[in-house]
Amino acid sequence: DIAITQSPSSVAVSVGETVTLSCKSSQSLLYSENNKDYLGWYQQKPGQTPKPLIYWATNRHTGVPDRFTGSGSGTDFTLIISSVQAEDLADYYCEQYFVYPFTFGSGTKLEIK
Amino acid sequence: EVQLVESGGGLVQPGASLKLSCVASGFTFSDYWMSWVRQTPGKTMEWIGDIKYDGSYTNYAPSLKNRFTISRDNAKSTLYLQMSNVRSEDTATYYCTLGIGWFAYWGQGTLVTVSS
Repeated sequence: DIAITQSPSSVAVSVGETVTLSCKSSQSLLYSENNKDYLGWYQQKPGQTPKPLIYWATNRHTGVPDRFTGSGSGTDFTLIISSVQAEDLADYYCEQYFVYPFTFGSGTKLEIK
Repeated sequence: EVQLVESGGGLVQPGASLKLSCVASGFTFSDYWMSWVRQTPGKTMEWIGDIKYDGSYTNYAPSLKNRFTISRDNAKSTLYLQMSNVRSEDTATYYCTLGIGWFAYWGQGTLVTVSS
C-alpha cells in the first residue's frame, strides 16, 4: 500500500497569515501517460462531512476559494492557505488515488490563534 | 443537486452482520462508480471499496475484502455495504461517496458502533 504522511499534525495560525501543509507519499503519484498527479485534498470542519478541496494535486474544486492552493508533484505535495480565515478551522486530509487501495494521510488540524 | 443519504447504522454486537444503504439523487446514478469510505472515532480515514456503474466490478481494501461486500441497485439509485462478522475496530462513521478515487460528493455518514 502507498503510505501517505502529513505534517504537521496540528498547526495554529492567526487570521490573515499563510500556512503550508505537507503531504508526502511513499511512492510517486505521477502518471507519465497523462502527466497528472493522483493526489487530492479534503477539508473537514468540526462536526461536518469531509469536503473536497483539490484534485489532480493542483486543481481547485468548484466553489473553493482561491486562497487554497495545491502544489507539488511526484511524492511531495503541499496545500497552501493564504490569508487564513477563522472559518478555515478544520482538519485537512490528503489522499492518493493512484493505485488501489486508495489511502489517506492522518490529517493536519488547523487551529486559529 | 447531488444528494447521498446513508442509513442503516447503529449499535451492533461483535460477530453480527449489518447492511448499510445509500440513496442517491440529483444525478444519473447508473452512470457513475460509487465508493464507501469510513472514518474512525480517532479521525482515521479509510477507503473501503468501490463498485462500477453497472455493478459488474468491485474493488476492496485488502483488509476488508473477506467481510465487506459492496452492491448496488440502479433501479432504486441505491448503494449498499454489507458488513459481516463485525469487530470493534469497525466502529466508524461510514460515508457513501460519488466517484472513483477522488470524491467530489459525500453523504452525511452513518455511525456504526460495534460493542457488546
